[in-house]
This record gives sequence, structure tokens and C-alpha cells, in this order.
Amino acid sequence: QQKVQQSPESLSVPEGGMASLNCTSSDRNFQYFWWYRQHSGEGPKALMSIFSDGDKKEGRFTAHLNKASLHVSLHIRDSQPSDSALYFCAASGRDSSGSWQLIFGSGTQLTVMP
Amino acid sequence: EAGVTQSPRYAVLQEGQAVSFWCDPISGHDTLYWYQQPRDQGPQLLVYFRDEAVIDNSQLPSDRFSAVRPKGTNSTLKIQSAKQGDTATYLCASSLGDTQYFGPGTRLLVL
Repeated sequence: QQKVQQSPESLSVPEGGMASLNCTSSDRNFQYFWWYRQHSGEGPKALMSIFSDGDKKEGRFTAHLNKASLHVSLHIRDSQPSDSALYFCAASGRDSSGSWQLIFGSGTQLTVMP
Repeated sequence: EAGVTQSPRYAVLQEGQAVSFWCDPISGHDTLYWYQQPRDQGPQLLVYFRDEAVIDNSQLPSDRFSAVRPKGTNSTLKIQSAKQGDTATYLCASSLGDTQYFGPGTRLLVL
């Protein structure tokens, strides 16, 4: 079973609407979470990270983490057509060498309709 | 500052052929990662380096895949005898701390 599960697989919202993406991890060794965004033909780009319980806001993006359940969500307010992309949740942790590892979910395809 | 660069951007092979992917990380980044991203899936880690040393290659199909980073800067990922199941985008990422920066990837199609 995949260690990082995302839902929904795809999501359509109208321009100006709110998009909500969900993610759950099953590995308590990885309790630091990232949201990445990937536009077609490009590599993933980091949006934001969260490692404390509660909310973290960066512009139109708000992440929420519940460490007890290892559930993290991403909310995008005032969605724009340029937000249309594949969104990945990734659980992060350090290995014995001190290097950071990422375990990615399978992604949520967001479409913002003009 | 230049980002992570990868080449080639696209490759089309017949089964059994060999292919190499090249990655130039962000200058000063000590850690370099190679990921495989099948269509409509998330990136899956293959191997990563701290400087020139391999930290973890446990997910690399070692019989056909190999990766090197001889001077701790650029890196090459090679597939010796490609299979149709290797069709995917191969992503390189680099980091100095906790943020990984990805290149645009190489799209590989094995016929």
C-alpha cells in the first residue's frame, strides 16, 4: 500500500473558487510535509512545507496539518486558471546521513475553469 | 541563479537499447536525487548522492540501471537495456537543505 495517499484524484473548481486537497501518510518516520505543484512539461516546484500542528498560510495557499492522524490538507482560495496543475503531497524525513528524503503521493489534478 | 538542468529532454528507444540522462544541479547543492515518474503518478526515488557518495540506491533496478556523480557536481543516470516498463519521465533534483529543486525532466518512451 502506498505510504502517502492523496484525494481526490482530480478536482475542478470555478475561477475565484476554493480548492481543497487532502493527503494522509502512514509512516510516522516522515512527519514533515511538502506540497509541490507540477505544470505540464515541467518538473515539480515546491509550494510550501508544514511540520507543526495547525495552519500555515502563504498568500492564497493555506496548509493544515494534524500530526496525530498524519493528515495534511491544502486549500487554495481565489483559484486562478494558472493554478491548474498536478499537485503532490510529499512526506519528508531525514535519513541517518542527515539527507532529506521525500515520499510522494500520486497527485491531485486540479482544473480551474475560467 | 540557474536552476537544475537536464538533457536530453526527450528520448525514444527500442527495447534493448541503452540511454543516458545527464543532470547539472544548482551550484553549491551537495545532495542530488534521481526520480522516476510514470505517467499520472508521483515521482519515485531511484537513487541519491551526498557529494560524490551514494547515500541510497536500494530502489535502483541494479541489473540495468546505474548512476554516478564522480566529482560531486554533475550526474549521469544510465539504463543499459531499456524495457517498455521503463517508459516514464526521469527527474533530477538537488538540495542544500530541506528543499528539493527539480529539473524539467527527461521524457523516455521505450517502444
